[in-house]
Amino acid sequence: LAKTTQPISMDSYEGQEVNITCSHNNIATNDYITWYQQFPSQGPRFIIQGYKTKVTNEVASLFIPADRKSSTLSLPRVSLSDTAVYYCLVGSGGYNKLIFGAGTRLAVHP
Amino acid sequence: SQTIHQWPATLVQPVGSPLSLECTVEGTSNPNLYWYRQAAGRGLQLLFYSVGIGQISSEVPQNLSASRPQDRQFILSSKKLLLSDSGFYLCAWSGDRGSWRTDTQYFGPGTRLTVL
Repeated sequence: LAKTTQPISMDSYEGQEVNITCSHNNIATNDYITWYQQFPSQGPRFIIQGYKTKVTNEVASLFIPADRKSSTLSLPRVSLSDTAVYYCLVGSGGYNKLIFGAGTRLAVHP
Repeated sequence: SQTIHQWPATLVQPVGSPLSLECTVEGTSNPNLYWYRQAAGRGLQLLFYSVGIGQISSEVPQNLSASRPQDRQFILSSKKLLLSDSGFYLCAWSGDRGSWRTDTQYFGPGTRLTVL
């Protein structure tokens, strides 16, 4: 299973764009990259998933370079409610076990 | 649509007492099921996963056990709780047609367990 590395914490202000980068040097050919968001005392929530290039949904964008050894979650114009822990995971299909690391704790300030 | 339930939401138990946490999934068949534990301020630790009825894989040796008596029911148990068992317990499922290739997991609301 590919191991991921992401910053422990980040700070931002309301209205700014936040980019969280995750390294996954040992990503396998079949692995997808998935980001989850977790608020205190809640289970993680799926945000976005991609395999290569760029994926965008109503919440975020995910940028994946050609070598796929890293990925960047982009949150446009964050608000206070985006304060949460963000996890980057890589894995492939079936009952593959996704490994949740410590994540990135994002604090958005007024 | 699929939903996942966990209960109880919070639990305070004395050391040495038994434990039973339940998780059920609705709206999907033959899901993969997972139990995680999260200590305060930490990441998620995978405890058990199951790919079918009666099939349990343990990731971490401990005094906890898991069972899957029905397709969409997953139970976490202990005969005697330890102080170190305190934490936030999360159940998750994966494996519906849309998530099969990508193993996206969907989490329940969690149970906060305090062992005193």
